[in-house]
Amino acid sequence: QQQVKQSPQSLIVQKGGISIINCAYENTAFDYFPWYQQFPGKGPALLIAIRPDVSEKKEGRFTISFNKSAKQFSLHIMDSQPGDSATYFCAASTDKLIFGTGTRLQVFP
Amino acid sequence: GAVVSQHPSWVICKSGTSVKIECRSLDFQATTMFWYRQFPKQSLMLMATSNEGSKATYEQGVEKDKFLINHASLTLSTLTVTSAHPEDSSFYICSAPRAGLYNEQFFGPGTRLTVL
Repeated sequence: QQQVKQSPQSLIVQKGGISIINCAYENTAFDYFPWYQQFPGKGPALLIAIRPDVSEKKEGRFTISFNKSAKQFSLHIMDSQPGDSATYFCAASTDKLIFGTGTRLQVFP
Repeated sequence: GAVVSQHPSWVICKSGTSVKIECRSLDFQATTMFWYRQFPKQSLMLMATSNEGSKATYEQGVEKDKFLINHASLTLSTLTVTSAHPEDSSFYICSAPRAGLYNEQFFGPGTRLTVL
């Protein structure tokens, strides 16, 4: 029940395209859903986060869509750029972060 | 965003020695910090919660006598890997939540430990 399932494991997108990563959870006590971006050999960096009382949050090219009834949330990266190539982790939290398994995104020019 | 630092960024040690990793919150105070372990191409696994002024809380399966945690101040937590063995080689990352509406967690840059 503490798991956060993330898909796909890897994603290849052409420059300018839309990258979509999906996550699902079981524990309805989770009240905070962040997305992190991690480059090789670096720590994760907070990208965007959402609370379950809203269905969508947008910051620049990054959008979180949240479906509370389905217990699913997703990250959309619009106009994907080669610099977005990284591993993305969703997470869910009450007091501790539970991470998804990660998605390796590659954006080709 | 808030800044969390780690030192050292990488360390190589011989089997049987102990290694200390520092985690500092540079521009905010953190009564709680978290320590994670990450193997190549895998996700982050929470090892323990470091609590300022009290004992750390360890996740199931993490040996508290092997991974010693000390939260010395509101800006510093240390992780000591005692009697390190090659299977302890990993990427160790700390995080600290900044108090606020969302208590966002900010991560350090990580420490690459290699045990020979």
